Amino acid sequence: QVQLQESGPGLVKPSQTLSLTCTVSGGSLSSDGNYWSWIRQPAGKGLEWIGRIYNSGSTNYNPSLKSRVTISVDTSKNQVSLRLSSVTAADTAVYYCASDRGDWGPGTLVTVSS
Amino acid sequence: QTVVTQEPSLTVSPGGTVTLTCASSTGAVTSGYYPNWFQQKFGQAPRALIYSTSNKYSWTPARFSGSLLGGKAALTLSGVQPEDEAEYYCLLYYDDAWVFGGGTKLTVL
Repeated sequence: QVQLQESGPGLVKPSQTLSLTCTVSGGSLSSDGNYWSWIRQPAGKGLEWIGRIYNSGSTNYNPSLKSRVTISVDTSKNQVSLRLSSVTAADTAVYYCASDRGDWGPGTLVTVSS
Repeated sequence: QTVVTQEPSLTVSPGGTVTLTCASSTGAVTSGYYPNWFQQKFGQAPRALIYSTSNKYSWTPARFSGSLLGGKAALTLSGVQPEDEAEYYCLLYYDDAWVFGGGTKLTVL
């Protein structure tokens, strides 16, 4: 079982781009999962699937976020990245990364505020 | 807009059995929706329990089982323990996208 750790700015201004990184340790991104997902959870609310990326680089996104989301992978660094553009307060949430093998990171809180 | 529906809340007695369900607005849930189930305790990250309808992870307690029941995905807890009190989420697959259910708050009382 690998360990996942999300990281990035905890505070982002409205209209700017949210950028997060998920670092995989204790294993290899290219061999310890077929795809890697980002999920978010606003405070007191349910989970929302953001998107996923295969090790090949192929991506799928939540249709409601597709125009603003980019997920990328850097196998040399064992990292998966999330970029969400034109953020608003509605994007304030805990952001999680997860593997298709059931591993989840602890999550990171991102607040959108001026 | 696809909607995945779960019971908002359920209560079960310790040692009892409870079944949580997961319905799709598009119709009957089949194995092709690859139902997943997750447990989330307060203040913690979700933990994966079940994938592809009924498959367990190495860490999934034996008392948890997944199935298809009456056109829905189902998660059954047999011999419920106090530590099973948590929020449970299902996840279904639709045409290269996944959708979470709204979650079921399970109270053990």
